[in-house]
Amino acid sequence: ETGVTQTPRHLVMGMTNKKSLKCEQHLGHNAMYWYKQSAKKPLELMFVYNFKEQTENNSVPSRFSPECPNSSHLFLHLHTLQPEDSALYLCASSQDGQGPKNIQYFGAGTRLSVL
Amino acid sequence: DAKTTQPPSMDCAEGRAANLPCNHSTISGNEYVYWYRQIHSQGPQYIIHGLKNNETNEMASLIITEDRKSSTLILPHATLRDTAVYYCIVVSGANSKLTFGKGITLSVRP
Repeated sequence: ETGVTQTPRHLVMGMTNKKSLKCEQHLGHNAMYWYKQSAKKPLELMFVYNFKEQTENNSVPSRFSPECPNSSHLFLHLHTLQPEDSALYLCASSQDGQGPKNIQYFGAGTRLSVL
Repeated sequence: DAKTTQPPSMDCAEGRAANLPCNHSTISGNEYVYWYRQIHSQGPQYIIHGLKNNETNEMASLIITEDRKSSTLILPHATLRDTAVYYCIVVSGANSKLTFGKGITLSVRP
């Protein structure tokens, strides 16, 4: 148990569906991250939030819409996805987004399949 | 951020030490070396990090060469549960952004 909980663990959706991924951290951290891990590819950073403000968007398509209502919760809203968006989506948190000593703690991920 | 180079895979026998190498020849003075691992279908797990001194914790030891151009992660007594992909990452002094590469797949055999 890392203190970072992601739900759901598995999700199957059609290309016209709208769904949301949820991440919650119980570590008192102020920075939260979304990563994507496609099959046989390295993890790719998607978004970074620091003290509820988005500080990084790594050229992610607009069909992925993040939301960070408070420092403990992070959502990824999905709509009109493509089959190539099927991947493991990982959430992480760290004390804050500044400096190199921030250890990131990861959730177990949501395995998304887009049909 | 400096890039890292790791062999694609290695194996070791259960109970023996696993020494995982990493090259980071372009590392700059304020960049840290971090190691994470990812067991199949789980999220990455932090192992250890260091700047220039060797570090040890309950999971592993990190040996950084004096010129800081390479490092070795040592798992002193590997178990089957240590089978995973291990990522060596150089982190900038300006932020805590992690850039993952392909890592090294460690297979621990009985």
